[in-house]
Amino acid sequence: NAGVTQTPKFRILKIGQSMTLQCTQDMNHNYMYWYRQDPGMGLKLIYYSVGAGITDKGEVPNGYNVSRSTTEDFPLRLELAAPSQTSVYFCASSYGDSRAVPGELFFGEGSRLTVL
Amino acid sequence: KNEVEQSPQNLTAQEGEFITINCSYSVGISALHWLQQHPGGGIVSLFMLSSGKKKHGRLIATINIQEKHSSLHITASHPRDSAVYICAVRSWTGNQFYFGTGTSLTVIP
Repeated sequence: NAGVTQTPKFRILKIGQSMTLQCTQDMNHNYMYWYRQDPGMGLKLIYYSVGAGITDKGEVPNGYNVSRSTTEDFPLRLELAAPSQTSVYFCASSYGDSRAVPGELFFGEGSRLTVL
Repeated sequence: KNEVEQSPQNLTAQEGEFITINCSYSVGISALHWLQQHPGGGIVSLFMLSSGKKKHGRLIATINIQEKHSSLHITASHPRDSAVYICAVRSWTGNQFYFGTGTSLTVIP
């Protein structure tokens, strides 16, 4: 099992460019998340998905978009990159169901993005 | 207002010391997670708890649901334990996680 795979690991963007961070999980998890981690701060939720075809905004969604066409994939798109989007991005996945049986949280290795 | 508060923020210990990191939360939860992040590294799950106590090797995690408090203990600490430890709670609805800002642990040989 590969777990949660994120690409790319590093990327430098110019202001105004766009890019997509890819995230794939092979654990058949229904929940997937995108977080950003800024120095000295806790993880901030950007977007999340509770299953294929369903996405919802988190705390800091502005400047980002997501889609969830399959259970496995949850790409994060940055449109018109800005210096404020310089951060480390983590994709995560977990299992959950209506009986509130919680599952472990698995993270990708992170993607370090710099916008200059 | 943070849903999850951790203390201390920073901790330095001598190798072999017993370490405790505390986590308090203010929301209804279905589970609490302890995570570990090494410098420049990814985030791995150490424990998931909904009650009682769990032990993996030298690490012990406890939770008191009534007091909304959890502790992570490291016995016989080692320099390789140096990392940031993050407490996270899963909301009662199961949709979201809330994270503490982490405790940065340095274990000196």
